[in-house]
Amino acid sequence: KQEVTQIPAALSVPEGENLVLNCSFTDSAIYNLQWFRQDPGKGLTSLLLIQSSQREQTSGRLNASLDKSSGRSTLYIAASQPGDSATYLCAVKDSNYQLIWGAGTKLIIKP
Amino acid sequence: DARVTQTPRDKVTEMGQEVTMRCQPILGHNTVFWYRQTMMQGLELLAYFRNRAPLDDSGMPKDRFSAEMPDATLATLKIQPSEPRDSAVYFCASGLRGSETQYFGPGTRLLVL
Repeated sequence: KQEVTQIPAALSVPEGENLVLNCSFTDSAIYNLQWFRQDPGKGLTSLLLIQSSQREQTSGRLNASLDKSSGRSTLYIAASQPGDSATYLCAVKDSNYQLIWGAGTKLIIKP
Repeated sequence: DARVTQTPRDKVTEMGQEVTMRCQPILGHNTVFWYRQTMMQGLELLAYFRNRAPLDDSGMPKDRFSAEMPDATLATLKIQPSEPRDSAVYFCASGLRGSETQYFGPGTRLLVL
């Protein structure tokens, strides 16, 4: 059974720092992996999607990498801003074509 | 701009009462998902529909939960009778078949006392 883990559960860093969020999954047989952002009291917004054949995707200050063989993905945020404060979730689409979600990392960027 | 809407945004009810949550997917989207989010379990898929037909509702407790799409512009999730353990945020998301992107609504925060 596919399991997705995100560590740490919470992270607080000063504004301007570069940071990395981690996501690991137990079964490498995935179709893709997505990173989402969730703001308090709101739904989720898709940030980046990496297909199983890809190694990374970039959007602005965000870069997501995927190492399927080791069951890991990272979300790199460059030059963090207070507006980046949110909970970041990763989700993998497993062999049954279902999205399996991590519990998220709550990120706080201190001004 | 187009977005998924959900009503009500908040619902407080007593154990045993029926709860109905509604979702209006983005016009033209043919896939609709219902998720439940709790602190303990995180985000769980309850059911999803394609072209109004239920494709998978294995994540949903069948004895008390039901999900329907009366038409292409409305999806409903009902709980009858509700229990305190149903307290959670329920999200609806919609998308297009063939696209990996799901667009989430703002959620319905349910508290069952």
